Amino acid sequence: NAGVMQNPRHLVRRRGQEARLRCSPVKGHSHVYWYRQLPEEGLKFMVYLQKENIIDESGMPKERFSAEFPKEGPSILRIQQVVRGDSAAYFCASSPPSGREVYTQYFGPGTRLTVL
Amino acid sequence: QKEVEQNSGPLSVPEGAIASLNCTYSDRVSQSFFWYRQYSGKSPELIMSIYSNGDKEDGRFTAQLNKASQYVSLLIRDSQPSDSATYLCAVMSAGGTSYGKLTFGQGTILTVHP
Repeated sequence: NAGVMQNPRHLVRRRGQEARLRCSPVKGHSHVYWYRQLPEEGLKFMVYLQKENIIDESGMPKERFSAEFPKEGPSILRIQQVVRGDSAAYFCASSPPSGREVYTQYFGPGTRLTVL
Repeated sequence: QKEVEQNSGPLSVPEGAIASLNCTYSDRVSQSFFWYRQYSGKSPELIMSIYSNGDKEDGRFTAQLNKASQYVSLLIRDSQPSDSATYLCAVMSAGGTSYGKLTFGQGTILTVHP
Protein backbone atom coordinates (compact mmCIF):
# COMPACT_ATOMS: atom_id res chain seq x y z
CA ASN A 1 0.00 0.00 0.00
CA ALA A 2 1.32 3.39 -0.95
CA GLY A 3 1.65 5.85 1.88
CA VAL A 4 1.06 9.57 1.72
CA MET A 5 2.71 11.02 -1.36
CA GLN A 6 3.93 14.57 -1.66
CA ASN A 7 5.48 16.40 -4.55
CA PRO A 8 7.70 18.01 -5.27
CA ARG A 9 10.09 16.86 -2.57
CA HIS A 10 12.20 19.98 -2.98
CA LEU A 11 11.02 23.29 -4.34
CA VAL A 12 13.04 26.44 -4.89
CA ARG A 13 11.28 29.73 -5.49
CA ARG A 14 12.37 33.33 -5.70
CA ARG A 15 10.71 35.95 -3.55
CA GLY A 16 7.36 36.96 -5.02
CA GLN A 17 6.73 33.71 -6.90
CA GLU A 18 4.02 31.19 -6.15
CA ALA A 19 4.58 27.79 -4.60
CA ARG A 20 2.18 24.85 -5.09
CA LEU A 21 2.60 21.81 -2.92
CA ARG A 22 0.69 18.62 -3.65
CA CYS A 23 -0.41 15.81 -1.40
CA SER A 24 -2.06 12.50 -2.25
CA PRO A 25 -3.36 10.76 0.90
CA VAL A 26 -3.17 7.07 1.67
CA LYS A 27 -5.67 5.24 -0.54
CA GLY A 28 -9.01 5.25 1.24
CA HIS A 29 -8.14 8.13 3.57
CA SER A 30 -10.47 11.10 3.35
CA HIS A 31 -8.91 13.44 5.92
CA VAL A 32 -5.88 15.55 5.02
CA TYR A 33 -3.80 17.78 7.27
CA TRP A 34 -0.98 20.18 6.49
CA TYR A 35 1.81 21.04 8.95
CA ARG A 36 4.82 23.31 8.70
CA GLN A 37 8.19 22.82 10.34
CA LEU A 38 10.39 25.89 10.35
CA PRO A 39 14.15 25.40 10.78
CA GLU A 40 14.95 24.53 14.40
CA GLU A 41 11.27 24.72 15.35
CA GLY A 42 8.53 22.25 16.04
CA LEU A 43 5.73 21.04 13.84
CA LYS A 44 2.84 23.47 13.60
CA PHE A 45 -0.65 22.67 12.40
CA MET A 46 -1.87 24.67 9.43
CA VAL A 47 -5.12 23.25 8.06
CA TYR A 48 -7.43 20.21 8.17
CA LEU A 49 -9.47 19.31 5.09
CA GLN A 50 -11.93 16.72 3.96
CA LYS A 51 -13.02 16.31 0.36
CA GLU A 52 -14.22 19.72 -0.86
CA ASN A 53 -14.36 21.09 2.70
CA ILE A 54 -12.01 23.05 4.93
CA ILE A 55 -12.69 21.81 8.46
CA ASP A 56 -10.14 23.83 10.45
CA GLU A 57 -7.79 26.48 9.06
CA SER A 58 -6.88 28.03 12.39
CA GLY A 59 -3.16 27.56 11.75
CA MET A 60 -3.06 29.13 8.31
CA PRO A 61 -1.49 32.57 7.96
CA LYS A 62 -4.22 35.05 7.08
CA GLU A 63 -2.66 36.16 3.84
CA ARG A 64 -0.99 34.46 0.87
CA PHE A 65 -1.77 30.89 2.02
CA SER A 66 -4.64 28.75 0.81
CA ALA A 67 -5.47 25.05 0.72
CA GLU A 68 -7.93 22.83 -1.08
CA PHE A 69 -8.82 19.15 -1.32
CA PRO A 70 -10.99 18.76 -4.43
CA LYS A 71 -13.35 15.91 -5.15
CA GLU A 72 -10.83 14.52 -7.61
CA GLY A 73 -7.09 14.83 -7.36
CA PRO A 74 -4.58 15.70 -4.67
CA SER A 75 -4.77 18.27 -1.93
CA ILE A 76 -2.97 21.50 -2.81
CA LEU A 77 -1.28 23.97 -0.47
CA ARG A 78 -0.71 27.22 -2.30
CA ILE A 79 1.57 30.01 -1.16
CA GLN A 80 1.40 33.22 -3.15
CA GLN A 81 4.15 35.83 -3.29
CA VAL A 82 6.56 33.77 -1.22
CA VAL A 83 8.96 35.43 1.20
CA ARG A 84 12.15 34.09 2.77
CA GLY A 85 10.30 33.34 5.99
CA ASP A 86 8.20 30.76 4.14
CA SER A 87 11.28 28.53 3.77
CA ALA A 88 10.41 25.40 5.71
CA ALA A 89 9.44 21.76 5.44
CA TYR A 90 5.76 21.31 4.69
CA PHE A 91 4.28 17.98 5.70
CA CYS A 92 0.98 16.49 4.69
CA ALA A 93 -0.72 13.82 6.77
CA SER A 94 -3.84 11.73 6.22
CA SER A 95 -6.15 9.63 8.37
CA PRO A 96 -8.90 7.07 7.69
CA PRO A 97 -12.54 8.14 7.25
CA SER A 98 -13.88 6.24 10.25
CA GLY A 99 -13.12 3.82 13.04
CA ARG A 100 -10.97 4.03 16.12
CA GLU A 101 -7.97 5.19 14.11
CA VAL A 102 -9.85 8.03 12.44
CA TYR A 103 -7.53 10.57 14.03
CA THR A 104 -4.30 8.63 13.66
CA GLN A 105 -2.32 10.68 11.18
CA TYR A 106 0.28 9.25 8.84
CA PHE A 107 2.79 11.68 7.42
CA GLY A 108 4.16 12.04 3.94
CA PRO A 109 7.84 12.67 3.16
CA GLY A 110 7.38 16.42 3.05
CA THR A 111 8.21 19.21 0.63
CA ARG A 112 11.26 21.30 1.46
CA LEU A 113 10.61 24.83 0.25
CA THR A 114 13.52 27.19 -0.16
CA VAL A 115 12.86 30.82 -1.00
CA LEU A 116 15.81 32.69 -2.47
CA GLN B 1 2.63 27.88 29.38
CA LYS B 2 3.24 25.75 26.32
CA GLU B 3 0.32 23.57 25.29
CA VAL B 4 2.49 20.46 24.97
CA GLU B 5 5.79 20.30 26.75
CA GLN B 6 8.43 17.60 26.57
CA ASN B 7 11.35 16.97 28.89
CA SER B 8 14.33 18.96 27.81
CA GLY B 9 17.01 17.05 26.02
CA PRO B 10 19.12 15.93 24.58
CA LEU B 11 18.82 12.54 26.27
CA SER B 12 21.73 10.15 26.00
CA VAL B 13 21.51 6.51 27.05
CA PRO B 14 23.80 3.52 26.53
CA GLU B 15 22.80 0.72 24.20
CA GLY B 16 20.52 -1.77 25.95
CA ALA B 17 19.25 0.73 28.53
CA ILE B 18 15.72 2.04 28.99
CA ALA B 19 15.04 5.48 27.55
CA SER B 20 12.26 7.45 29.22
CA LEU B 21 10.58 10.32 27.40
CA ASN B 22 8.03 12.54 29.10
CA CYS B 23 5.31 14.91 27.96
CA THR B 24 2.77 17.11 29.71
CA TYR B 25 -0.18 18.90 28.16
CA SER B 26 -2.35 21.78 29.24
CA ASP B 27 -5.73 21.07 27.62
CA ARG B 28 -7.77 18.90 30.01
CA VAL B 29 -10.23 17.82 27.32
CA SER B 30 -7.51 16.21 25.19
CA GLN B 31 -8.47 12.67 24.28
CA SER B 32 -5.91 11.26 21.88
CA PHE B 33 -2.16 11.07 22.31
CA PHE B 34 0.57 10.05 19.93
CA TRP B 35 4.30 9.51 19.85
CA TYR B 36 6.18 10.08 16.62
CA ARG B 37 9.83 9.51 15.79
CA GLN B 38 11.62 11.85 13.39
CA TYR B 39 15.05 11.19 11.99
CA SER B 40 17.04 14.21 10.86
CA GLY B 41 15.76 15.46 7.52
CA LYS B 42 12.89 12.98 7.45
CA SER B 43 9.19 13.06 8.17
CA PRO B 44 7.51 12.05 11.46
CA GLU B 45 6.85 8.33 11.78
CA LEU B 46 4.06 7.09 14.06
CA ILE B 47 5.25 4.89 16.91
CA MET B 48 2.30 4.66 19.27
CA SER B 49 -1.17 6.00 19.91
CA ILE B 50 -2.86 5.89 23.32
CA TYR B 51 -6.35 6.96 24.33
CA SER B 52 -7.04 5.45 27.76
CA ASN B 53 -5.33 5.79 31.10
CA GLY B 54 -2.71 3.17 31.78
CA ASP B 55 -0.03 1.44 29.76
CA LYS B 56 0.04 0.31 26.17
CA GLU B 57 2.85 -1.90 24.97
CA ASP B 58 4.07 -2.56 21.44
CA GLY B 59 7.32 -4.46 21.16
CA ARG B 60 10.08 -2.50 22.87
CA PHE B 61 7.85 0.55 23.27
CA THR B 62 5.45 1.30 26.13
CA ALA B 63 3.27 4.38 26.24
CA GLN B 64 1.80 5.50 29.55
CA LEU B 65 -1.09 7.91 29.98
CA ASN B 66 -2.36 9.65 33.12
CA LYS B 67 -5.14 12.07 32.23
CA ALA B 68 -5.57 13.28 35.80
CA SER B 69 -1.97 14.44 35.84
CA GLN B 70 -2.09 15.45 32.16
CA TYR B 71 0.97 13.38 31.53
CA VAL B 72 2.01 10.94 28.83
CA SER B 73 5.30 9.11 28.53
CA LEU B 74 7.15 6.73 26.23
CA LEU B 75 9.55 4.06 27.43
CA ILE B 76 11.95 2.41 25.01
CA ARG B 77 13.40 -0.82 26.34
CA ASP B 78 16.68 -2.35 25.12
CA SER B 79 17.56 0.91 23.34
CA GLN B 80 19.46 0.55 20.07
CA PRO B 81 21.64 3.06 18.21
CA SER B 82 18.96 3.03 15.48
CA ASP B 83 16.55 4.54 18.03
CA SER B 84 18.61 7.75 17.98
CA ALA B 85 16.17 10.37 16.69
CA THR B 86 13.90 13.18 17.81
CA TYR B 87 10.77 11.96 19.58
CA LEU B 88 7.66 14.07 19.24
CA CYS B 89 4.69 14.00 21.58
CA ALA B 90 1.42 15.01 19.91
CA VAL B 91 -1.94 15.74 21.50
CA MET B 92 -5.36 16.04 19.91
CA SER B 93 -8.16 17.97 21.58
CA ALA B 94 -11.62 16.53 21.91
CA GLY B 95 -13.97 18.86 20.20
CA GLY B 96 -14.95 22.01 18.43
CA THR B 97 -12.79 23.11 15.58
CA SER B 98 -9.74 21.57 17.25
CA TYR B 99 -10.96 18.10 16.33
CA GLY B 100 -8.28 16.61 14.12
CA LYS B 101 -5.63 19.18 14.92
CA LEU B 102 -2.46 17.75 16.45
CA THR B 103 -0.44 19.97 18.76
CA PHE B 104 3.18 18.87 18.98
CA GLY B 105 5.77 19.30 21.66
CA GLN B 106 9.14 20.68 20.75
CA GLY B 107 10.64 17.20 20.65
CA THR B 108 13.29 15.37 22.66
CA ILE B 109 16.50 14.37 20.95
CA LEU B 110 17.53 10.86 21.97
CA THR B 111 21.02 9.51 21.39
CA VAL B 112 21.77 5.85 22.06
CA HIS B 113 25.50 5.27 22.22
CA PRO B 114 27.13 1.86 21.73
